[in-house]
Amino acid sequence: EDQVTQSPEALRLQEGESSSLNCSYTVSGLRGLFWYRQDPGKGPEFLFTLYSAGEEKEKERLKATLTKKESFLHITAPKPEDSATYLCAVQDPFSGYALNFGKGTSLLVTP
Amino acid sequence: GAVVSQHPSWVICKSGTSVKIECRSLDFQATTMFWYRQFPKQSLMLMATSNEGSKATYEQGVEKDKFLINHASLTLSTLTVTSAHPEDSSFYICSARQGYNEKLFFGSGTQLSVL
Repeated sequence: EDQVTQSPEALRLQEGESSSLNCSYTVSGLRGLFWYRQDPGKGPEFLFTLYSAGEEKEKERLKATLTKKESFLHITAPKPEDSATYLCAVQDPFSGYALNFGKGTSLLVTP
Repeated sequence: GAVVSQHPSWVICKSGTSVKIECRSLDFQATTMFWYRQFPKQSLMLMATSNEGSKATYEQGVEKDKFLINHASLTLSTLTVTSAHPEDSSFYICSARQGYNEKLFFGSGTQLSVL
């Protein structure tokens, strides 16, 4: 069964303090590793899709990277508005290619 | 980007009543829509997958008679929670896929509270 494990469960950073979130996955035939951001009481907002090991994508202070077993979401010089839960997901071919999500990392950035 | 609209944002109902949640893709045709449920501090759990004009496919453990899904058009899917009970209280989120694009677009979610 496909599994997605995210760590840490929660992370508290000071504004400007860079860090990385981890997403480990076990899947037969990766069709894409997805990162989403979710604010409290809202639906997930798409950030990135990575397809092959070595691929990197960037958006503002976020950079996502992918290896054969895990993905990292690097946050450079975060700001308080980056506070959110970051979700990692892979596609499940047995459920119409729905996304199978990890439990997420809850990030809090303090001024 | 593509927009998925979900209504209502929150609903409070009495135990035993039914509640309908609507999910629309506003600027694209969604070949497939998905319904998720999320409990506090938990991740999104897939409930069912629906294709336009077809019966929904439910995940193991999800009661199809309690959670009725209708995907009547390429832009509209509805989830009806029938005879709701307090344990059905949760955050329900719909999502849609545009064509064969693998990315999912999510609605803003519906917080259901059953008294």
